Amino acid sequence: NAGVTQTPKFQVLKTGQSMTLQCAQDMNHNSMYWYRQDPGMGLRLIYYSASEGTTDKGEVPNGYNVSRLNKREFSLRLESAAPSQTSVYFCASSVGVTATQYFGPGTRLLVL
Amino acid sequence: EDQVTQSPEALRLQEGESSSLNCSYTVSGLRGLFWYRQDPGKGPEFLFTLYSAGEEKEKERLKATLTKKESFLHITAPKPEDSATYLCAVGKTSNYQLIWGAGTKLIIKP
Repeated sequence: NAGVTQTPKFQVLKTGQSMTLQCAQDMNHNSMYWYRQDPGMGLRLIYYSASEGTTDKGEVPNGYNVSRLNKREFSLRLESAAPSQTSVYFCASSVGVTATQYFGPGTRLLVL
Repeated sequence: EDQVTQSPEALRLQEGESSSLNCSYTVSGLRGLFWYRQDPGKGPEFLFTLYSAGEEKEKERLKATLTKKESFLHITAPKPEDSATYLCAVGKTSNYQLIWGAGTKLIIKP
């Protein structure tokens, strides 16, 4: 089992460009999450999907959109990237929304 | 306001020197407290979940404990491979989101 996989590993964007971060899990989990991690701060939830077909905003959703493509895949889209979105993005999944979350390796995004 | 605070921010120990990391929290309605380990350039790796005051869990050189206001991660006779950032997160009964601390960076010198 690969667990949670994320692509790409690293990306550089110019301000205003768009991109989609991909996440997939092979653990048959129902719930999936997108976080960002910035230096000196705790992980912050951007969006989550409690189950296939549903998505909800987290703590910092502005500037992002998500799609739960199927049970395995959950993507995060930046429509018009800003330097403030420079961060490390983690995808996670869990059996249910109250269960332990398992994380992917992260995508490092630099917006110039 | 719900808050999770980890201390110290960084901790340097000699190999074999035992110590503890602290995670203090103020939330209304604790659903569970989670400990993760994060190596540089990697995603967080799950260690423990604690659900109620008085609960303890152990894994190799690590032991996590929980009170009504804080959790401790005790590390006994650490080795250099225990060097990592340790994160704690708290789940509330009122919603599904976790509140994360900023982490403690642990460095074990040989």
